[in-house]
Order: sequence, then structure tokens, then C-alpha cells
Amino acid sequence: NAGVMQNPRHLVRRRGQEARLRCSPMKGHSHVYWYRQLPEEGLKFMVYLQKENIIDESGMPKERFSAEFPKEGPSILRIQQVVRGDSAAYFCASSSENIQYFGAGTRLSVL
Amino acid sequence: EDKVVQSPLSLVVHEGDTVTLNCSYEVTNFRSLLWYKQEKKAPTFLFMLTSSGIEKKSGRLSSILDKKELFSILNITATQTGDSAVYLCAVADRGSTLGRLYFGRGTQLTVWP
Repeated sequence: NAGVMQNPRHLVRRRGQEARLRCSPMKGHSHVYWYRQLPEEGLKFMVYLQKENIIDESGMPKERFSAEFPKEGPSILRIQQVVRGDSAAYFCASSSENIQYFGAGTRLSVL
Repeated sequence: EDKVVQSPLSLVVHEGDTVTLNCSYEVTNFRSLLWYKQEKKAPTFLFMLTSSGIEKKSGRLSSILDKKELFSILNITATQTGDSAVYLCAVADRGSTLGRLYFGRGTQLTVWP
């Protein structure tokens, strides 16, 4: 049973470009969560999705950030017009029975 | 304002030592507390605790929760170099949507041979 898969592992973007981060949950999981980890800080919740629904996006910046989890395919976290402050590790998790299992993360670097 | 505070932030020990990692929390309606181990990749699940005083154990690792004093400890006995990692504590509360976790900053454990 494959774990939570995230890609790419590393992503480099210039300021103003778009970043797309993908997450495929564990088989049988229909709940996906995105977290951001800044240097020297803990993981911060961004958004919680179920298939085709955003359940809680209260942790996500109101502008430039969006997330989706379509009926088919992976969940996507999209960051438009990236700025240097978006540089961080972005982790995705999927859950079963209240336990969240994490992917290896995508490290976004904005030049 | 941090809801979850871990201590110490870093710890250096020698193989064979026993370590205790601390996690205190402050949430309105506690649901569960989880421990993860994070190396240079995915945080991996260790324990989930929901009831006070019941120790969870897995090999050399064990953890216990005190809901009255609002803290948990993670013990690692006979440490090995492979235990070197960041240990994360996270709390879920009933007031938030199912699954949203509040994380501490982690304890960086380094085990020297």
C-alpha cells in the first residue's frame, strides 16, 4: 500500500511565477490536508479537502493560494505570483480513523 | 499564540541513553494528541493518545498523556543513532474541523555513537 505521494519533491520558481504542488492520498483515503512548514517553525495547517469539496480553508492565505481535490486525480495546491516569503516545505496528509499520514513534502524555493 | 509547546527544542545524547521529550498543549476541547518522527522526509506516525494515564508502547518508544495537566511525554530507551530525528507533537481539538492538527515546533534529537 503506497503512502502519500507528493510531487515534485523540489520546485524552484522565480518571483511572479505559478507553483503547482500535487498530492495523491493513500489508497482508500478521501480526506486530504495541506500544511506549510517554514524554517524554525512547526507545521501550520492550510486547508482540508474531501473529494470535490473544500471543508476548511481557514489556514490558507486569502490571495494567490488555492486548493482542489477533484473527483479524479491528485489534490493540487496552487500558488500564483509566488513571492520569496512562499519559500517553505509544503506537506500533504491523508487520513483514516483520525490519524493523518504525511507525504515527503515539496520544498518550494522562490528566487 | 502557540497551542502546542515542545521541550527541549534540541537534545544531544549518546547511544544507550534514555531520553524524555515533553509536549504541553492548550486547546479548548481536546480530542487527541499525536506524536510523529520526522527525518529528512515524511513525518511518520508514532502514537495517538486520547485517554489519560494509558501508556502506548512500541519497542523502545513509549508515550503517555496527562489530560489534567495538559501534557504528554515521549520516552525513548536505549537510544540508537537511527533515532536521530525531529520529534513532532500535534493536537486535535473538537472545536475545529475533523483532522486539523496544531503542531509544536519539534524536538531535534541527535544521538551520537
